[in-house]
Amino acid sequence: DAMVIQNPRYQVTQFGKPVTLSCSQTLNHNVMYWYQQKSSQAPKLLFHYYDKDFNNEADTPDNFQSRRPNTSFCFLDIRSPGLGDAAMYLCATSRDRVEGGGNFYNEQFFGPGTRLTVL
Amino acid sequence: AQSVTQPDIHITVSEGASLELRCNYSYGATPYLFWYVQSPGQGLQLLLKYFSGDTLVQGIKGFEAEFKRSQSSFNLRKPSVHWSDAAEYFCAVEGFQKLVFGTGTRLLVSP
Repeated sequence: DAMVIQNPRYQVTQFGKPVTLSCSQTLNHNVMYWYQQKSSQAPKLLFHYYDKDFNNEADTPDNFQSRRPNTSFCFLDIRSPGLGDAAMYLCATSRDRVEGGGNFYNEQFFGPGTRLTVL
Repeated sequence: AQSVTQPDIHITVSEGASLELRCNYSYGATPYLFWYVQSPGQGLQLLLKYFSGDTLVQGIKGFEAEFKRSQSSFNLRKPSVHWSDAAEYFCAVEGFQKLVFGTGTRLLVSP
C-alpha cells in the first residue's frame, strides 16, 4: 500500500546532541511537510517542500533544518535539541492541488510520527 | 488569516450514544475543511473533507459532518459511538496550501 513512513518511531537524544528524523513516501507526492506536535496541542507546521523548493514558516526556530534529497525522502534535522523540543514530529505529503467540484484543494496524508525525547 | 476553534477540550460519551464535535472556522473565501482523528501515539488519519457541493459529507468509520456557511461551522457527527472511537479529533481549514488546525477535542467513551 502507498504510504508515509517515519523512522524511527521513537527517538531519544541528549540535550544539545544533533538528531535527524526521517520521512519517506511511496505516494509520489510532490509536497512534503514537517509538523511539530506537543502534548495536547494541535500540530504546528514547521516547513514544507514544494518539489525542491523549501518553504520555512516565519516562526520556525533556526535550530530546525530540513533536507529533501529526492521526491521520496525528507529529513528533519534538529541541530541542538533543547528540552522544549521534545514533541511528536509528524511528516505529511500532498499531491499539490487536487481538483474537486471545480475547485482545487490540498489533502495531506500523515505518517505515524516520531516521538522525540530530550534528556 | 484563517483560524479554527474547537470549543470542547474533552467530551465523554456513552458507548452507543450519538456524538457531535463542534468546529468553527474563520476564513475569507470558500473554506476547504477537514476532520482528522489521532489515536494515542499515532499520526493523523483523515475522516472526511469538504470543499464544495453537498453540505453534508460522509466519511470513514461512520462519521459525517455538515458544513453551515451561515454559522461558519463544520460539526462532526456519529449516530452511535464505539469504544474504538476514543481518540483526539482535529478540525482543520486549508488556506494557501497550508492546514490550520484547531486545538482538538479528546473523546472519551464510557461503557
